[in-house]
Amino acid sequence: DAGITQSPRHKVTETGTPVTLRCHQTENHRYMYWYRQDPGHGLRLIHYSYGVKDTDKGEVSDGYSVSRSKTEDFLLTLESATSSQTSVYFCAIKSAGHYEQYFGPGTRLTVT
Amino acid sequence: AQSVTQLGSHVSVSEGALVLLRCNYSSSVPPYLFWYVQYPNQGLQLLLKYTTGATLVKGINGFEAEFKKSETSFHLTKPSAHMSDAAEYFCAVSLANAGGTSYGKLTFGQGTILTVHP
Repeated sequence: DAGITQSPRHKVTETGTPVTLRCHQTENHRYMYWYRQDPGHGLRLIHYSYGVKDTDKGEVSDGYSVSRSKTEDFLLTLESATSSQTSVYFCAIKSAGHYEQYFGPGTRLTVT
Repeated sequence: AQSVTQLGSHVSVSEGALVLLRCNYSSSVPPYLFWYVQYPNQGLQLLLKYTTGATLVKGINGFEAEFKKSETSFHLTKPSAHMSDAAEYFCAVSLANAGGTSYGKLTFGQGTILTVHP
């Protein structure tokens, strides 16, 4: 257990509304990541962070923004949700000097 | 840029049979390679990893994988399938650090769903 929680675990929202997903870790890991999982695509990187206030874009960042104001929290925001953002979102962490990532339980987001 | 291809989106085996899940990667630099397993409605769990050294790596639940640079492959095997192995399996690659700029970002294959029949 890497001490990662995600909230909410499930959310249904309407097109055009803002949505924020939270990833919280308890073990002071340096690196944090947001992925989305869609059938046939595996997981794709949205954004990542390599330290407080240090973030960068991943493969599928359009329509998403992130913030990391403290080590333990990494927030993913959909400024104006669209149906194409219906997906399962996973947060992951990695420690400096280590190779592997550990994943949270996921958030299932449905945009109607 | 790196990419990962998993051959076969669905694999079906009988209980007790050999499990072979195929993964090929492309990378311009030596990669780090991973296999993850996902049970229904759960997150991903690390099965095993290859970073450097011995090319045959052993993981949890009796799985192992062999890094073959000449074939750019990292296939996952288990000698005898168990019903509890039914899940979706993902192969992933990240680039070895080049001046610390890779940040450990993972590129995933599209996943292989393993079904185990009694």
